[in-house]
Amino acid sequence: QVQLQESGPGLVRPSQTLSLTCTVSGGSISSGSYYWTWIRQPAGKGLEWIGRIHISESTSYNPSLKSRVTISVDTSKNQFSLKLSSVTAADTAVYYCATLGSSDYWGQGTLVTVSS
Amino acid sequence: QTVVTQEPSLTVSPGGTVTLTCASSTGAVTTDYYPNWFQQKPGQAPRALIYSTYNKHSWTPARFSASLLGGTAALTLSGVRPEDEAEYYCLLYYRGAQGVFGGGTKLTVL
Repeated sequence: QVQLQESGPGLVRPSQTLSLTCTVSGGSISSGSYYWTWIRQPAGKGLEWIGRIHISESTSYNPSLKSRVTISVDTSKNQFSLKLSSVTAADTAVYYCATLGSSDYWGQGTLVTVSS
Repeated sequence: QTVVTQEPSLTVSPGGTVTLTCASSTGAVTTDYYPNWFQQKPGQAPRALIYSTYNKHSWTPARFSASLLGGTAALTLSGVRPEDEAEYYCLLYYRGAQGVFGGGTKLTVL
């Protein structure tokens, strides 16, 4: 059973870079079966798909965030990461890592607040 | 910018049937969009119900079914139970890769 766990700072200053890591357990991040995905949800609002990466290192990003987002994989640590640059208060949200599709696994989510 | 549209809210009586839809601003939704459906209850992470248009997960109750209906992706709940009260989101993939969530449907069982 694959389990995902997000980690990273809960508070980020405006204009800085938000960095989150998702640690995968119970499975290998090198598996070609999964697209490792980041999703976020501002308080009281809907879900927003941020982007995903495959072990082949093919990535796909939300066009509205593409200029600020990087998703990468660290096979040595069985982790994948999200970096979102030049953050503003609008980036305050619960951030989830997940795999979607036939294998649906989600982290519990981590709240990131952008504030000075 | 691509927009995925869902009904903002729906109300159904216990034991009744309700259909939620998911439309794309680009035109008719087909299997090429690999529609996914998720259920989210307050304070919880979302959980998938349907992937790739019709496919259920092992935990998806039999009363949930999915289809393509009139150019939209659709999720039908039959024999609705009080525990089905939740927010429901659809997810479509564009060019097979870029995902876009719908705004969500708040389903009330009353």
